[in-house]
Amino acid sequence: GENVEQHPSTLSVQEGDSAVIKCTYSDSASNYFPWYKQELGKRPQLIIDIRSNVGEKKDQRIAVTLNKTAKHFSLHITETQPEDSAVYFCAACPHNAGGTSYGKLTFGQGTILTVHP
Amino acid sequence: DSGVTQTPKHLITATGQRVTLRCSPRSGDLSVYWYQQSLDQGLQFLIQYYNGEERAKGNILERFSAQQFPDLHSELNLSSLELGDSALYFCASSVARVDNEQFFGPGTRLTVL
Repeated sequence: GENVEQHPSTLSVQEGDSAVIKCTYSDSASNYFPWYKQELGKRPQLIIDIRSNVGEKKDQRIAVTLNKTAKHFSLHITETQPEDSAVYFCAACPHNAGGTSYGKLTFGQGTILTVHP
Repeated sequence: DSGVTQTPKHLITATGQRVTLRCSPRSGDLSVYWYQQSLDQGLQFLIQYYNGEERAKGNILERFSAQQFPDLHSELNLSSLELGDSALYFCASSVARVDNEQFFGPGTRLTVL
């Protein structure tokens, strides 16, 4: 099955700096890669996602890049703010042999991002 | 608010007991997913239902079972509970056609004493 590795496990930055979180996946048939933000005691919240037919996607201060050849994808947060502090999870969604995704997300272990004011 | 609801919010029970967790998906979503989140295992996929039928299964224990009802709400049943079953249980829903976006509910925190 799919295996997703996420680095770093913790990341500490100063307000205004950029933050980058990287993930690698094992199943070359995976085609959907979401990122979730989870604040303490709250639900994972979808913040951005990318599909395999796209190399990069941006939404204001957040961007995600995907390298299908190398099987890795990254989350980039620019101009970080204290409210960006949370745990961030990447995930990969594999296809089955028939080409229909079951929607079964395999998550990375998470990155604890701390933004210092 | 994602539109996905889960009850109860907290559940405290004893080893050997059985509990039922309930989830209502967003309006219009046909797919429901259950995930377990614990400190040592992270976020783990348990099972998916689509329009009443089981569609995918993860590392779900035999002591756990789920179902999706005609009104699309889902229940996760956990039996013969062990201390290690203590975790946050999340339900997520999606339209599950070409969309894969999954929206999570607030979770049920299960504590087994």
